Amino acid sequence: EAGVTQSPTHLKKTRGPQATLRCSPISGHTSVYWYQQALGLGLQFLLWYDEGEERNRGNFPPRFSGRQFPNYSSELNVNALELEDSALYLCASSLGGGGDSYEQYFGPGTRLTVT
Amino acid sequence: QKEVEQDPGPLSVPEGAIVSLNCTYSNSAFQYFMWYRQYSRKGPELLMYTYSSGNKEDGRFTAQVDKSSKYISLFIRDSQPSDSATYLCAMSAIVGDDKIIFGKGTRLHILP
Repeated sequence: EAGVTQSPTHLKKTRGPQATLRCSPISGHTSVYWYQQALGLGLQFLLWYDEGEERNRGNFPPRFSGRQFPNYSSELNVNALELEDSALYLCASSLGGGGDSYEQYFGPGTRLTVT
Repeated sequence: QKEVEQDPGPLSVPEGAIVSLNCTYSNSAFQYFMWYRQYSRKGPELLMYTYSSGNKEDGRFTAQVDKSSKYISLFIRDSQPSDSATYLCAMSAIVGDDKIIFGKGTRLHILP
């Protein structure tokens, strides 16, 4: 069974424009979570989508947004890129629906570098 | 005070030793406790989870939760070089309706 996949693996951007990161969950999983893992800050929760809706949001500015598609894949958009947005962005999926959401399975991440 | 505190390490121990990894937390509402392992350039993988207080054993790994002290531990017996990774504790209050709070992770090196 395929795990969580993310694309691209690496993304280099300059300050200002938008970055779009993509995630495909494990088949059968309806919940998708986005995390930012910056050096020295640990894993920070960004967004949680379940059944196409945003369920929860971490302490990040509105320029971090996303959506979940009918096939449960998801994209994360980061607008007005800043240098401090450089980090590993991890996507995780779980069965969702109020069930075993603590059993999150992570993808390999997208390394975003902003210069 | 941060919600979850975890010593970043690095922690270096000889092969075969027992490893003890720990986290403390401040939110008494946390009920679900997880340990993730993250190898370099990879996403975290779920190792173990426990609900409320008590111990849980899985092979060489034992997770322990002491809610009265707000303290959780992961023990690794007969440590192997392949156990070298960053270990993240994580916890949440409510299943299905809450985000998980992660510790910053402890880097572990098992010396052959």
